[in-house]
Amino acid sequence: SQQGEEDPQALSIQEGENATMNCSYKTSINNLQWYRQNSGRGLVHLILIRSNEREKHSGRLRVTLDTSKKSSSLLITASRAADTASYFCATDLFYGNNRLAFGKGNQVVVIP
Amino acid sequence: DAGVTQSPTHLIKTRGQQVTLRCSPKSGHDTVSWYQQALGQGPQFIFQYYEEEERQRGNFPDRFSGHQFPNYSSELNVNALLLGDSALYLCASSSGGEAEETQYFGPGTRLLVL
Repeated sequence: SQQGEEDPQALSIQEGENATMNCSYKTSINNLQWYRQNSGRGLVHLILIRSNEREKHSGRLRVTLDTSKKSSSLLITASRAADTASYFCATDLFYGNNRLAFGKGNQVVVIP
Repeated sequence: DAGVTQSPTHLIKTRGQQVTLRCSPKSGHDTVSWYQQALGQGPQFIFQYYEEEERQRGNFPDRFSGHQFPNYSSELNVNALLLGDSALYLCASSSGGEAEETQYFGPGTRLLVL
């Protein structure tokens, strides 16, 4: 079964706006990762946040993790048309191991 | 430095047939994981290979099997294909087996079962 559940499922924004998407999970985790997928192709790793971290930045990406609520958020600032993609959160399926459980994904469309 | 490669890119089979998908990991990686992604869904973990052995396995039937070769490349075999096996099959490589390492994904093989 899917571990992560993203919310909202689909998002349409204008170029330059910020995009925020959330992910919830059910069990204890070692880390949580976000991936991007363009047009049903391979996944690109964006960022990993460990269970003892609360916030992490990478370029225009900001990820937060709230282990008490079992949730994470991904913020993309100053979005670009090239950010149009599906975004997935993934947690380690077996605690401490590197086998991932993905959510259903958020489809983000950035309108030029 | 080549990333993760998969072959073929697309494949069409009929129910009951068997299929073999191939994956070459990123240079320096020794661990290969396979995922199935149905249309509109997130990828689901099938199994992982490390040191030529299958490690933890996801919730997939025995029709799904695999192999890892000494050069760390891997094959995914699916027997007695069902319509529901139609999906994008993704291979991911990493290093260290149990270690917390970023997984690098290939472009996938899109399988259509008619």
